[in-house]
Amino acid sequence: GEDVEQSLFLSVREGDSSVINCTYTDSSSTYLYWYKQEPGAGLQLLTYIFSNMDMKQDQRLTVLLNKKDKHLSLRIADTQTGDSAIYFCAEAFTGKLIFGQGTTLQVKP
Amino acid sequence: EAQVTQNPRYLITVTGKKLTVTCSQNMNHEYMSWYRQDPGLGLRQIYYSMNVEVTDKGDVPEGYKVSRKEKRNFPLILESPSPNQTSLYFCASSLSSQGSYEQYFGPGTRLTVT
Repeated sequence: GEDVEQSLFLSVREGDSSVINCTYTDSSSTYLYWYKQEPGAGLQLLTYIFSNMDMKQDQRLTVLLNKKDKHLSLRIADTQTGDSAIYFCAEAFTGKLIFGQGTTLQVKP
Repeated sequence: EAQVTQNPRYLITVTGKKLTVTCSQNMNHEYMSWYRQDPGLGLRQIYYSMNVEVTDKGDVPEGYKVSRKEKRNFPLILESPSPNQTSLYFCASSLSSQGSYEQYFGPGTRLTVT
């Protein structure tokens, strides 16, 4: 079945890089997404990667996809306090998204 | 402004009292979906709809009903709420059900059932 796993918590210092990791079991999805949820808000799409890509860079965000290991990561360069939020990875299938548990990123000044 | 709206944003109710959470989108999207978010579990899909009058169960449909009589609206109905339905609920919509289309999320409805 489809399952997506993330570690629950990550703490970094402002200015450092953050790396949030995600593993998944079903490799038939065509897209994998990263969403950001700020306190009291809905989910905001951060970036996505097509399943036949290895890497995608979008300003401070770098997404790496290792299909062999079924591992997805999101790197945030020069992390700021405004990046503090919950980050969800998700696999896209027809009709639904399968989400990980979410990683809470804490950025210390 | 393109958006997904949900009402109410917060609701406290008692076991067994029927309630409806409304969801509306103004983007002419075909696909709409309901998720619930629980700590440590991420978001899980309750129901989805690929078009008007077409609805399907997601991963956790028990205790919920939906309807899609108009394209823009997708209400979530709890006929007899129970405490285990205390959760944060999100409605989402996208142009299509295909995975390549971004899903837009509403702001969430926090439901407490006592």
